[in-house]
Amino acid sequence: AQRVTQPEKLLSVFKGAPVELKCNYSYSGSPELFWYVQYSRQRLQLLLRHISRESIKGFTADLNKGETSFHLKKPFAQEEDSAMYYCALRPPQGGSEKLVFGKGTKLTVNP
Amino acid sequence: KAGVTQTPRYLIKTRGQQVTLSCSPISGHRSVSWYQQTPGQGLQFLFEYFSETQRNKGNFPGRFSGRQFSNSRSEMNVSTLELGDSALYLCASSSGYNEQFFGPGTRLTVL
Repeated sequence: AQRVTQPEKLLSVFKGAPVELKCNYSYSGSPELFWYVQYSRQRLQLLLRHISRESIKGFTADLNKGETSFHLKKPFAQEEDSAMYYCALRPPQGGSEKLVFGKGTKLTVNP
Repeated sequence: KAGVTQTPRYLIKTRGQQVTLSCSPISGHRSVSWYQQTPGQGLQFLFEYFSETQRNKGNFPGRFSGRQFSNSRSEMNVSTLELGDSALYLCASSSGYNEQFFGPGTRLTVL
């Protein structure tokens, strides 16, 4: 079964504090993993994909195949990071681009 | 480049009616996917089209259908509307197993 679990519906931190949004997945194989972000009144947009191995807006995510996790991290949270964050998986290239999403984590960064 | 556009942005229908939603992908993108977003279930995959062919379908009843035209524009139709069909319907396009770009969504309310 293809499943993405984000255990925290809500996460609240203070500005400057580290933040980690958890994501665990279930998939028999090697999927592609993504983090999408939805800021208030904006459309859903891609933040990170695991194959890029890059840092976007200070966020990084490491794929841990042993633990089937893809946690999103940022060492110093900013107020503009407040948003809904969705972890998603996609089957490896082979015909379908279907994304399976977790239910999302609402991050609030307090001043 | 213009982004993914969806029309209409808002719809109010009554139970039993049918509705058609439209999605115009980014120019040059041939893959279009549809998702339903609700507070309870999150983002769920509806279907995916590539070059006018349905490539994948999610676990939704047959009342949900879609199609893609030769210019890559896509429509989805929901017949015999139920209260539970109230949701934000998102469309995403990509150029072929690359980043998916999402539209702003159509907010459907069924009364």
